[in-house]
Amino acid sequence: SYELTQPPSVSVSPGQTARIPCSGDALPKKYAYWYQQKSGQAPVLVIYEDTKRPSGISERFSGSSSGTMATLTISGAQVDDEADYYCYSADSSGDHGVFGGGTKLTVL
Amino acid sequence: QVQLQESGPGLVKPSGTLSLTCAVSGDSINSSHWWTWVRQPPGKGLEWIGEIYHSGRTNYNPSLKSRVIISVDKSNNQFSLKLTSVTAADTAVYYCAREGDSSGWYWWGQGTLITVSS
Repeated sequence: SYELTQPPSVSVSPGQTARIPCSGDALPKKYAYWYQQKSGQAPVLVIYEDTKRPSGISERFSGSSSGTMATLTISGAQVDDEADYYCYSADSSGDHGVFGGGTKLTVL
Repeated sequence: QVQLQESGPGLVKPSGTLSLTCAVSGDSINSSHWWTWVRQPPGKGLEWIGEIYHSGRTNYNPSLKSRVIISVDKSNNQFSLKLTSVTAADTAVYYCAREGDSSGWYWWGQGTLITVSS
């Protein structure tokens, strides 16, 4: 079955730039989406279609994709950005969604 | 403002069937969007279960396909999940969601914890 691979954790100091990678074989042809999930809450969409930001999401969040790697970048990371981040995409058929394993972002 | 609310039994016995509904307000279940179910076992990551389009077309996670049915109830403006032959591994918070006007799961329910135990 298709998989998206993320590192389990990323740690940065406040004000630094955090980058969370997500790798998958179908990413050259399928969009990546990114979700932020804080403890005990439902996920929140922060990036869609590789690079687009939903209304209400801080400009500090940006996305990029190149080849088999998609990346979520958080500029000027803040303590409030601490959360689990999940990438999401579809397999090559486009009919089956899949989440990456999630990355815990620590800002301290 | 789209609002989604999951409802279910809370506790399901092993080998039984898990049935959940997602009540939709602020939108019609007939609108041209995909609707999805996602689950999260305690302390673990998100897992996509499947999705349904307003036309009734469905897509399922291959690892769950033999046990899952997602359906739309137009008369009650809701959609449902049925998962058969459940085991303790199906214990999770179950979320329903709708895609945004572009794409991506934008609108989410608050989630409901389903425990599989005798």
